[in-house]
Amino acid sequence: NAGVMQNPRHLVRRRGQEARLRCSPMKGHSHVYWYRQLPEEGLKFMVYLQKENIIDESGMPKERFSAEFPKEGPSILRIQQVVRGDSAAYFCASSLTGQGTEAFFGQGTRLTVV
Amino acid sequence: QQQVKQSPQSLIVQKGGIPIINCAYENTAFDYFPWYQQFPGKGPALLIAIRPDVSEKKEGRFTISFNKSAKQFSLHIMDSQPGDSATYFCAASNGRSQGAQKLVFGQGTRLTINP
Repeated sequence: NAGVMQNPRHLVRRRGQEARLRCSPMKGHSHVYWYRQLPEEGLKFMVYLQKENIIDESGMPKERFSAEFPKEGPSILRIQQVVRGDSAAYFCASSLTGQGTEAFFGQGTRLTVV
Repeated sequence: QQQVKQSPQSLIVQKGGIPIINCAYENTAFDYFPWYQQFPGKGPALLIAIRPDVSEKKEGRFTISFNKSAKQFSLHIMDSQPGDSATYFCAASNGRSQGAQKLVFGQGTRLTINP
């Protein structure tokens, strides 16, 4: 009965490299949300996905960031050509449905861009 | 209109005291108000949540008070313990829309309970 699994827990990338963050939702959950947390700040919504569909990406930067949730496998948040300002904790949450049910958060991936 | 404003930024309370954390919102479409607890290096964990059809909800030592007309809600922790030391976030969402867990978070309150 595993919770939301995120990996890696820590990721170090040099400027210009690609970062790939993975999120496996709780068993049976088909709704995934990605949030970003900058140091000393609250979480900011980035994107909401269901299997094979992006439902709401209103919080995603227009360039370099993309997300997917394929039919099989984990959800992936991809950041291309990382910059220092991308350093943050990235959290994934999953829920059973998209309406009114509790979302469970993973432990996050802490990205450091050097 | 999408903001949730949280105060104070940090709070120190003696063991057994009642820390109170306050949040205010603008968007009247919000109708789901959860509180999350986050320990260092961990993800947020849901503590308690309220909908605006009630003015108060209690779960164990945690109580949410909700004032719909003022668009404010607060978290009270009764008989606080050192183990309650964590960062607390309020949040809000339109709980009946698709994507209800698109949460808008407050800035967080770092709570320290001294022994």
